[in-house]
Amino acid sequence: AQSVTQLGSHVSVSEGALVLLRCNYSSSVPPYLFWYVQYPNQGLQLLLKYTSAATLVKGINGFEAEFKKSETSFHLTKPSAHMSDAAEYFCAVSESSYNFNKFYFGSGTKLNVKP
Amino acid sequence: DAGVTQSPTHLIKTRGQQVTLRCSPKSGHDTVSWYQQALGQGPQFIFQYYEEEERQRGNFPDRFSGHQFPNYSSELNVNALLLGDSALYLCASSLAQGSGTEAFFGQGTRLTVV
Repeated sequence: AQSVTQLGSHVSVSEGALVLLRCNYSSSVPPYLFWYVQYPNQGLQLLLKYTSAATLVKGINGFEAEFKKSETSFHLTKPSAHMSDAAEYFCAVSESSYNFNKFYFGSGTKLNVKP
Repeated sequence: DAGVTQSPTHLIKTRGQQVTLRCSPKSGHDTVSWYQQALGQGPQFIFQYYEEEERQRGNFPDRFSGHQFPNYSSELNVNALLLGDSALYLCASSLAQGSGTEAFFGQGTRLTVV
């Protein structure tokens, strides 16, 4: 069974500071991992995904994540936070096969960016 | 490309009523999934449709049902609404072929049951 744990429901950083959002997963098979961002009253937008290629994955808006199998982690980072990064971030693991693709989401981390 | 579109954006219903939510997938996508996102939680998988059939189902009661049309659009129906059904309902579309493909999400329908 697949599952995702996001440590810290709220994270607050100053503008220009490092952003680190934590995600640990549980998967019985090699995982496909994703980070999505959700702005208020909107749907989910894909930031980046890991699909067993390079362990360091670069996404949009300067975000990146590193897959660490030994730690079953897929933490999201950004070197310098911007006010526009304030949103809720969801880590997800995908269970997929030829004709289905099902996501298990974590409970989310709300990122607050202070001026 | 219009992306995934959902209608309506907001809906208020009374307990016991029935509701239908609609979704048009991203152009070229053949698979539609529905998720329920309760306040303060991550999205929970309801079910997925491919080739007009329900392929996968999450841990939701039979009050939740769906349909996929030949043009790949989809409906989510919820009968006998409960207060606990109040949530943001997200539609996601993807391509069936290939593992690890991402899902594209609509903006959701905010359902409030009173």
